[in-house]
Amino acid sequence: DAGITQSPRHKVTETGTPVTLRCHQTENHRYMYWYRQDPGHGLRLIHYSYGVKDTDKGEVSDGYSVSRSKTEDFLLTLESATSSQTSVYFCAISRLLAGDVDTQYFGPGTRLTVL
Amino acid sequence: QQPVQSPQAVILREGEDAVINCSSSKALYSVHWYRQKHGEAPVFLMILLKGGEQKGHEKISASFNEKKQQSSLYLTASQLSYSGTYFCGTVLHRDDKIIFGKGTRLHILP
Repeated sequence: DAGITQSPRHKVTETGTPVTLRCHQTENHRYMYWYRQDPGHGLRLIHYSYGVKDTDKGEVSDGYSVSRSKTEDFLLTLESATSSQTSVYFCAISRLLAGDVDTQYFGPGTRLTVL
Repeated sequence: QQPVQSPQAVILREGEDAVINCSSSKALYSVHWYRQKHGEAPVFLMILLKGGEQKGHEKISASFNEKKQQSSLYLTASQLSYSGTYFCGTVLHRDDKIIFGKGTRLHILP
């Protein structure tokens, strides 16, 4: 358990509406990530953050924005949701293993359906 | 740059062995293995580092062939609980992000 929660866990919304997903962590990790998971594509990085107010784009960032005003919270916003953004969204943190090696631990996911 | 996993899916009977491969076209720094059960989050299994030793615990182990830029995950005497989708994630350089493969679905029959 990496102390990661996501909210909401499920959401159904309509095309064109704004949607914000929240990722909350309790262990003060510096790096946080947002992924989407779709059948046949695996996990694809949307955006990531390397500190408060420090964010960068991943491979599928179009149509998404993020914000991180506190270490513990990383928000993903769909400004105007489209049906192609129907997906399962996972938040992850980077946790240090032994030495200087780190890996990622995932939150429980948010299933988003855009009608 | 996405690693290629093979096979895409495999069905085994309980007690049989399985090997899942993860290949990259570029030199790798590390390979990360995850397992995801249906409706759940991916769970970290192990990491293989360039120049490191084969890792594993109990009946799940993995190797990293630096010359071939390939990692293999070995599941020995599979159990029903091993069912799920296995993902590898590759890192090209020490501070790079993980890039995940499309996954290998493993189904264990009793």
